[in-house]
Amino acid sequence: SQQGEEDPQALSIQEGENATMNCSYKTSINNLQWYRQNSGRGLVHLILIRSNEREKHSGRLRVTLDTSKKSSSLLITASRAADTASYFCATDAGTSGTYKYIFGTGTRLKVLA
Amino acid sequence: ETGVTQSPTHLIKTRGQQVTLRCSSQSGHNTVSWYQQALGQGPQFIFQYYREEENGRGNFPPRFSGLQFPNYSSELNVNALELDDSALYLCASSNINEQFFGPGTRLTVL
Repeated sequence: SQQGEEDPQALSIQEGENATMNCSYKTSINNLQWYRQNSGRGLVHLILIRSNEREKHSGRLRVTLDTSKKSSSLLITASRAADTASYFCATDAGTSGTYKYIFGTGTRLKVLA
Repeated sequence: ETGVTQSPTHLIKTRGQQVTLRCSSQSGHNTVSWYQQALGQGPQFIFQYYREEENGRGNFPPRFSGLQFPNYSSELNVNALELDDSALYLCASSNINEQFFGPGTRLTVL
């Protein structure tokens, strides 16, 4: 079963707009990661945020984590057509560094040129 | 692009058959994890191998089994295939600091 869910399930925006995706999870975690997947292929790691962190930035990506609400958000600013993909959050509830991740259900993002 | 490779890329089997999927890990990584991703769903953890030993298992029946070799490459074996086994199978290789996913094997069971 999935650890959590992403919201919305699908999102369609115009190029240049910002995209925000949310992830909720069920148990306490060591860290949370966001991944991108193009066309049902391999997963590309985007960003990792640890349970003691509240916000991280990487280029056009901004991730927040609220452990009290068991939720995280991914913001992609100034979106591009190349950002079209599915985005997943994954939580590591086991021993830190063991990479036994539980993935959410994903948000399908479509960026229109 | 990562150094994690999987073979084959696509595979079609019939119900009841057996299948073996392969994963070559990134240089310097000693751990391989396998995930099953059904269409429209997130990946689900099958099991993980660390230094040739199973190191954790998800909620999958025993007909899903694996191996890890001394060079840290790995195999996923599925016996008595069922229609619901149709999915993208992803492997991920890791060390304590990083994890990289392979491109996946698309398995179709008819």
